[in-house]
Parts: sequence; structure tokens; C-alpha cells
Amino acid sequence: EPEVTQTPSHQVTQMGQEVILRCVPISNHLYFYWYRQILGQKVEFLVSFYNNEISEKSEIFDDQFSVERPDGSNFTLKIRSTKLEDSAMYFCASSTGTSADTQYFGPGTRLTVL
Amino acid sequence: GESVGLHLPTLSVQEGDNSIINCAYSNSASDYFIWYKQESGKGPQFIIDIRSNMDKRQGQRVTVLLNKTVKHLSLQIAATQPGDSAVYFCAEKFGGATNKLIFGTGTLLAVQP
Repeated sequence: EPEVTQTPSHQVTQMGQEVILRCVPISNHLYFYWYRQILGQKVEFLVSFYNNEISEKSEIFDDQFSVERPDGSNFTLKIRSTKLEDSAMYFCASSTGTSADTQYFGPGTRLTVL
Repeated sequence: GESVGLHLPTLSVQEGDNSIINCAYSNSASDYFIWYKQESGKGPQFIIDIRSNMDKRQGQRVTVLLNKTVKHLSLQIAATQPGDSAVYFCAEKFGGATNKLIFGTGTLLAVQP
């Protein structure tokens, strides 16, 4: 069964450093998403991406965040200058398209900012 | 103020019993709802979904009920097994052009053998 994959599983970084989290969505999916989950809290939407551009973003997704689909398979989330409060699990998700399609989530990357 | 962390509601059931997990959603215009299961250290795993034009949908051992009048969603798990132990989240998608999911607080299901 196809699945969303994410690397690395755990990333430790120093405050102020840049990090890139990587995702390989399910191959025939057209919509891609990033969500995050701070420890013990709800899963929160960050951004959605379709047709090589951001289709929607939340208030959390400020100028420090960016997303990219550098090739036909990868989807990345970059945080330019990490802050302590960026520590969280980051989940990538993908869906085939249309508004009521199921979003399938990856296993997540745990980001720890020291 | 900022929330330090959520105290998850917990449902404790005996193996073999049926479980019912409830969720109150926020937006009467939401048109799509999903239940996800999240095991410790893993990503949300799709269980079942339902569109707003339905009030019930069944899967394998799971049933989702939607009551739009009171904005309530429930997940019923038949013959609960130890492997069902996890946090269960409901998520809603607001109607219109948005695709983002809004997740609920979550319920911890603890299955006692």
C-alpha cells in the first residue's frame, strides 16, 4: 500500500539554524500539506500546496517558513531560523485532489530546537 | 493565554467491548469529517470519513455517526482489541475552497486485556 514517507525521523538543531524537513507524498497525489503537533497538543495545519504553489497557509506559517517541490517526488518544509517554539512533530500529508479527498499522513519528523 | 498541553479525555474499555468516542465539531458549514488514529510516536492514520450529506457510514469494525443538528460526530469501534489503543482525533474540513483539516482535541482509548 502506498504511503507518505518523511525524513529524517528526528532532527535536532540549534536555535537560529535552518532546517529542511523532507517528505515523499503518495505518487499520484496532487495536494500536499504540512501540519505540526506540539507535544501534547492538537495537530495544527500549516500550509497546503497544489500545482507548484501555496494554496493556503495558516497564521503559524510566517516568513520563516517555506515549502518547495524541488522535483517530481519530494516536498520540503524549510524553517529559516529556528526558534525554541518550533520544536514539534511535523507531519506531511497528501491527497489526490478535490476538496473532500482523504489526506494521508506520514510518520512525522520530530524537530527539537535547543 | 498559551496552552501548556492538553489533558486528553480517556476512555477505558475491556477487550471485546464496543467503544464509542465522541467529538463536537466547531463549524456548522463543515462538509467533510474524518477520524484518525494516532499511536504513540506515529502520524495520524486514516480510519473512516463521512461527508455532510450522510449521517452514518460503516467500515470494518468501525461506524461513524454524524449529527449535524448538534454538531456531533462519533466513532464506534466494535469488539475493541488491544491494538485499538491509541489517541483518536476527529477532524473537520470547512466548506468552500479550503482543504485544511481542523483537528479536535483527541481521546485516548485504553483497551484493558
